Amino acid sequence: DAGVTQSPTHLIKTRGQQVTLRCSPKSGHDTVSWYQQALGQGPQFIFQYYEEEERQRGNFPDRFSGHQFPNYSSELNVNALLLGDSALYLCASSRATGVSTDTQYFGPGTRLTVL
Amino acid sequence: AQSVTQLGSHVSVSEGALVLLRCNYSSSVPPYLFWYVQYPNQGLQLLLKYTSAATLVKGINGFEAEFKKSETSFHLTKPSAHMSDAAEYFCAVRPTNAGKSTFGDGTTLTVKP
Repeated sequence: DAGVTQSPTHLIKTRGQQVTLRCSPKSGHDTVSWYQQALGQGPQFIFQYYEEEERQRGNFPDRFSGHQFPNYSSELNVNALLLGDSALYLCASSRATGVSTDTQYFGPGTRLTVL
Repeated sequence: AQSVTQLGSHVSVSEGALVLLRCNYSSSVPPYLFWYVQYPNQGLQLLLKYTSAATLVKGINGFEAEFKKSETSFHLTKPSAHMSDAAEYFCAVRPTNAGKSTFGDGTTLTVKP
């Protein structure tokens, strides 16, 4: 059983560009959450998708957007990249349980560097 | 709203010594609590979780944590450190009525031979 997978592993972009990161959840999971982990910090919640809709959102600007597909996979899009967007982006999948979710399992992350 | 404070950004122990990583939380609703480990250039691996059952939770690799509501703490312990335990450890809190997890800033554990 494959766990959570993310692509690409590494990415280098320049300021002002746009980027798309991808995540495939663990088998049997229907909820995907995205986190940003800056160097030396803990992960910060960006948003969560369930049934192809954004269910919760953290304190991130509208430049950060996402999508969930019918097969539960998800994309994170970031527009107008800033130097401060350089970070490890983590995807976590889980099963929805009412208004909450079961335990989140994390992927290996995508390392984004903005020059 | 919820928050997590991990006391001590760096902890160093000798191989075979007790490991104690501290985590205090605040939450406006009953929380779920988690400890994750992160090795360099990798994602987060779940060590253990508290979900309102037993207050003493046992996890993988010999780690355990005790939920103490009166102290709002969820400290992580391991009786005897191994070199392979050297990593970054994160404590996280999640309300029982929502899916968003809030993480602490992490504690780097160094194990000396």
